[in-house]
Amino acid sequence: AQKVTQAQTEISVVEKEDVTLDCVYETRDTTYYLFWYKQPPSGELVFLIRRNSFDEQNEISGRYSWNFQKSTSSFNFTITASQVVDSAVYFCALSVLNTGNQFYFGTGTSLTVIP
Amino acid sequence: GAGVSQSPSNKVTEKGKDVELRCDPISGHTALYWYRQSLGQGLEFLIYFQGNSAPDKSGLPSDRFSAERTGGSVSTLTIQRTQQEDSAVYLCASSIDWETQYFGPGTRLLVL
Repeated sequence: AQKVTQAQTEISVVEKEDVTLDCVYETRDTTYYLFWYKQPPSGELVFLIRRNSFDEQNEISGRYSWNFQKSTSSFNFTITASQVVDSAVYFCALSVLNTGNQFYFGTGTSLTVIP
Repeated sequence: GAGVSQSPSNKVTEKGKDVELRCDPISGHTALYWYRQSLGQGLEFLIYFQGNSAPDKSGLPSDRFSAERTGGSVSTLTIQRTQQEDSAVYLCASSIDWETQYFGPGTRLLVL
């Protein structure tokens, strides 16, 4: 069975602090993708990043970075020097090659950045 | 290029009425997904299409919900005899097979 767990329901940080959003996934397949999406208060889910299971190289995009560790089945997301515009709900997701086109979403982490 | 579009953006209806929600996926995307999101909640999977067929209808909450996709493109989600608990945001997403899903802006449904 496939599953994505985002244990942090809500996080509040003060602007300019760093924050890490945790994502733990479960799958027995060796070929899969992991994703992060951002849902700002406006409501539309925005794709942030996709990683495939064969590429554990960490990625940095501006203030955003992602740490993929197969050994712990985690795909954590760090925002450096957080800003108020980062306030949103963030979803982690998994898709697995051998389960058709089904996607598995975590329950989301609501991040509030306090000015 | 054009993203996923959904219509209407907002729908207010009376309990017991039928509603149709429409999704236009990104051109060329083979897979199409419907989700429901209640206020402050996560994504509830409803159904997905591969082409015009729906391999997985397991998420449809009751037989009042149905969906179809024609021509491998536009999809319609129909809710019959709406109930107040159907009030939510209905999100559509499309993808090329199991690759990245791209979401539309959603339809906000309010059942009075």
